[in-house]
Amino acid sequence: EPEVTQTPSHQVTQMGQEVILRCVPISNHLYFYWYRQILGQKVEFLVSFYNNEISEKSEIFDDQFSVERPDGSNFTLKIRSTKLEDSAMYFCASSFRDTITVVYEQYFGPGTRLTVT
Amino acid sequence: GNSVTQMEGPVTLSEEAFLTINCTYTATGYPSLFWYVQYPGEGLQLLLKATKADDKGSNKGFEATYRKETTSFHLEKGSVQVSDSAVYFCALRIGGSQGNLIFGKGTKLSVKP
Repeated sequence: EPEVTQTPSHQVTQMGQEVILRCVPISNHLYFYWYRQILGQKVEFLVSFYNNEISEKSEIFDDQFSVERPDGSNFTLKIRSTKLEDSAMYFCASSFRDTITVVYEQYFGPGTRLTVT
Repeated sequence: GNSVTQMEGPVTLSEEAFLTINCTYTATGYPSLFWYVQYPGEGLQLLLKATKADDKGSNKGFEATYRKETTSFHLEKGSVQVSDSAVYFCALRIGGSQGNLIFGKGTKLSVKP
């Protein structure tokens, strides 16, 4: 069964450094998402991406964050200058249009745990 | 605003016990409702969903009914197994079929043999 993959599974970085989190969505999917979960808190939406542009973003997704689909298969989240409070589990998700139910089920990857020291 | 509240965990049950995990929501408009499950070391998996009032979602013995009058979507299973041990997330989606999900905090379930 196709699945969303994410690399790395765990990333440790120093405050102020740039990090790039990578995701490979399911191949025929058209909508892509990033979410994050700070330890002990809710899973929070960051950004959605469709047709090579951001379709929606949350207040968390400020100028320090960017997303890109560089080569038609990868979907990346870049944090330009990491802060301690960026430490979290980051989940990538992708979805397609189910023409029968017209429900866009989101398929999630296993997550990347980002630790900022 | 839109939000999801689910019961605090962890929940510990013996095998074959009855499970209820409460979930209530606040939303503008008419949300779709979901339960996701996260097994250790894995990503979030859709467990079941309901898109309109009075719909019942079901999968793997789990059920939840979309109750508009009580703004609830409680997850139930009649007889849990050790393999059901996981974290369960209630979520809603508004603003179109490709909109983002709004999650609750998650409830960790541990089932003992």
